Amino acid sequence: NAGVTQTPKFQVLKTGQSMTLQCAQDMNHNSMYWYRQDPGMGLRLIYYSASEGTTDKGEVPNGYNVSRLNKREFSLRLESAAPSQTSVYFCASTGTGTSVTDTQYFGPGTRLTVL
Amino acid sequence: EDQVTQSPEALRLQEGESSSLNCSYTVSGLRGLFWYRQDPGKGPEFLFTLYSAGEEKEKERLKATLTKKESFLHITAPKPEDSATYLCAVYRGDQKLVFGQGTRLTINP
Repeated sequence: NAGVTQTPKFQVLKTGQSMTLQCAQDMNHNSMYWYRQDPGMGLRLIYYSASEGTTDKGEVPNGYNVSRLNKREFSLRLESAAPSQTSVYFCASTGTGTSVTDTQYFGPGTRLTVL
Repeated sequence: EDQVTQSPEALRLQEGESSSLNCSYTVSGLRGLFWYRQDPGKGPEFLFTLYSAGEEKEKERLKATLTKKESFLHITAPKPEDSATYLCAVYRGDQKLVFGQGTRLTINP
């Protein structure tokens, strides 16, 4: 079991460029999440997908779009990157359906710099 | 608005010097409180889930406790390998976790 995997690990973009961050999980989880982590701010939820075919906004969705491609994969897209989107992005997954408070498991992160 | 506040922001201890990290929260309808450990350059790693006031959980040198307003992560006789950022998060049952900003713990040998 690889758990939650993310690609790429590092990325540098210029302002206005677009890119897609990829996330996949092999734990048969129903729910998947995208967070960003900035110094002193903790983890903030961008978007989440409670189940295949559904997506919802989190705390900081502006400037991002997501796609739940199938049960395993959840991608995050930046259509026109801005310096304010420089951050570390984490994907997480949870929900085997056995508990209402299933643990969220995190990927290793993508470190994005927008110049 | 739900809030999670962790204190202190940073803590430096000598090896073997026990201490506690605090996570205070204001959230309606708490369904669970999570503790994670995060090493530099890595994703958060799950430690504990606490569900109700009075509950305690232990793992090696770590013990987590929960009251109606706060949770503590007690570290007993820490070692340098316990150095990390510790995150707490609350769950209301709406599919979303709300995280605190973390406590950066450094254990000096």
